[in-house]
Amino acid sequence: DTGVSQDPRHKITKRGQNVTFRCDPISEHNRLYWYRQTLGQGPEFLTYFQNEAQLEKSRLLSDRFSAERPKGSFSTLEIQRTEQGDSAMYLCASSLDTGGFYGYTFGSGTRLTVV
Amino acid sequence: QKEVEQNSGPLSVPEGAIASLNCTYSDRGSQSFFWYRQYSGKSPELIMFIYSNGDKEDGRFTAQLNKASQYVSLLIRDSQPSDSATYLCAVTRQGAQKLVFGQGTRLTINP
Repeated sequence: DTGVSQDPRHKITKRGQNVTFRCDPISEHNRLYWYRQTLGQGPEFLTYFQNEAQLEKSRLLSDRFSAERPKGSFSTLEIQRTEQGDSAMYLCASSLDTGGFYGYTFGSGTRLTVV
Repeated sequence: QKEVEQNSGPLSVPEGAIASLNCTYSDRGSQSFFWYRQYSGKSPELIMFIYSNGDKEDGRFTAQLNKASQYVSLLIRDSQPSDSATYLCAVTRQGAQKLVFGQGTRLTINP
């Protein structure tokens, strides 16, 4: 197992376009998390899944954002009608059930630039 | 008041010295405390976690937790230039899965 995998690594898009990111967690991990990080700030929580169920969503996740984990394996994060303020690093992480206690493993991230 | 606060730095330490990084948190119900290291342009990497008051040592790293004072710190002994990175403090509340991060402290180790 090679850890948490995210695709693409970089994405440049024009304002108003839709983008979709993919995350493949560590295979035995049932929890999957999405975070967003802007320059000079710590990661901010967006949402998390336990298997295919989306259990918590941040208020940061506006109606332009949607995340899915259809079969409890990989996850996608879609941003519709992108805005310049969406430019950030989007981080995916995964863990076992004990993630909140022992921490979780992050993927390498997808850097989004909206021009 | 932010939930997790860190001095953004930069903190500059000579090679071989002890680097001391501090973090305070506001929620007394916090249960677990984490230190992540993040190199420029890379993703966060978990260094240590601690959940009991006192010290926890792992190699050159020591995490210290004081729940009464609501602070957690990370000591790096025999600092190396490769330790130069941003160090992120994060906490979780009792029973929660969400990690809440501070803004990070940028550490530079000078040869």
